[in-house]
Amino acid sequence: GDSVTQMEGPVTLSEEAFLTINCTYTATGYPSLFWYVQYPGEGLQLLLKATKADDKGSNKGFEATYRKETTSFHLEKGSVQVSDSAVYFCALSNAGGNQFYFGTGTSLTVIP
Amino acid sequence: NAGVTQTPKFQVLKTGQSMTLQCAQDMNHNSMYWYRQDPGMGLRLIYYSASEGTTDKGEVPNGYNVSRLNKREFSLRLESAAPSQTSVYFCASSEGDRGITEAFFGQGTRLTVV
Repeated sequence: GDSVTQMEGPVTLSEEAFLTINCTYTATGYPSLFWYVQYPGEGLQLLLKATKADDKGSNKGFEATYRKETTSFHLEKGSVQVSDSAVYFCALSNAGGNQFYFGTGTSLTVIP
Repeated sequence: NAGVTQTPKFQVLKTGQSMTLQCAQDMNHNSMYWYRQDPGMGLRLIYYSASEGTTDKGEVPNGYNVSRLNKREFSLRLESAAPSQTSVYFCASSEGDRGITEAFFGQGTRLTVV
């Protein structure tokens, strides 16, 4: 079945460091891919998405490219800030958008 | 624009008690979902409703029931709460059949069963 695997956390970085959170997926057909962010005590918010191969999603300095050949959708940011501290979830949607599959989440802490 | 609204935000139950978690969306979405979030487990799908009038089991449906009351509302019921159901519950919605779009989440219900 469809599934998402993302790198284990927690990740701790210093402010202005480069961030990569790895995400790979298993799916039939052509899924859409998403990154969600969850701040403490809140629900999940969409960070970015990509709906077809080679698409790049971007938002708030974060980027991820849909790589069908490696079945990956790694999240990157060139210079993280303290305010980026949160839990990040990789997800995919398939089969007409009726089901979403989430990774286990990666906790990021950015220290000044 | 409220999006997805869940009530209550916090709840403490005693083992064996029942309760219903309410969820409503104002985006005219076809599909709605209930997830639970536990440390180290990510989000696990409990039930979903692809459209008004239909519901289907997800990964962890045991101990739960759902009702898609109308297009806006999708409730989750715990008939006899158990400590293993202590979790954070999220409701979500998406356009569904009209294309693969993102899911929108509520703020969550933190449930503790003692």
